Amino acid sequence: EAGVVQSPRYKIIEKKQPVAFWCNPISGHNTLYWYRQNLGQGPELLIRYENEEAVDDSQLPKDRFSAERLKGVDSTLKIQPAELGDSAVYLCASSYEQGNYEQYFGPGTRLTVT
Amino acid sequence: DQQVKQNSPSLSVQEGRISILNCDYTNSMFDYFLWYKKYPAEGPTFLISISSIKDKNEDGRFTVFLNKSAKHLSLHIVPSQPGDSAVYFCAASAGRDDKIIFGKGTRLHILP
Repeated sequence: EAGVVQSPRYKIIEKKQPVAFWCNPISGHNTLYWYRQNLGQGPELLIRYENEEAVDDSQLPKDRFSAERLKGVDSTLKIQPAELGDSAVYLCASSYEQGNYEQYFGPGTRLTVT
Repeated sequence: DQQVKQNSPSLSVQEGRISILNCDYTNSMFDYFLWYKKYPAEGPTFLISISSIKDKNEDGRFTVFLNKSAKHLSLHIVPSQPGDSAVYFCAASAGRDDKIIFGKGTRLHILP
């Protein structure tokens, strides 16, 4: 069974530039999560999808961050414009059903904003 | 305001001995607790969990203990093996519809 796929693995951009991250969850997993992990911290939830519906986006900075999961499968997280403080690892995770605590994480995208 | 606290940033344990990782929480509404393990350049992987109706859960070499009155849980690894060297995250949730809150992690080094 293929795991959660994320791309790119690394991204370096200048501040004020846009950036996008892509995630393909495990086949059959209806719930998809985007997390941000700052250096020395644990992952923090940005948004959770149930199929194509965003059911928890309370932690997503909506002035510059956006996400979509149009067909209820893969998802894109976008930052526009990026700020220096956005440097972090962006993790995507999926689980079979809502409330399933066993989340499967992808390897993450390490973003550096200069 | 950290709701899940892992006060030891790192821990070194001799191979074959017991590793004990500790975690404290402040939110009395938490009713489910998890441990995740993370290797460098990989995402966290689920290790073991415990519901608040239990005080112990065992899975092979891994045992999680929950002390609700002290708002404290611990992960025991016996015996410790070289492959256990990783960062361990404690996490908690207030229900299946609620988000999981992670601690900052503890880096475990297993010494030969």
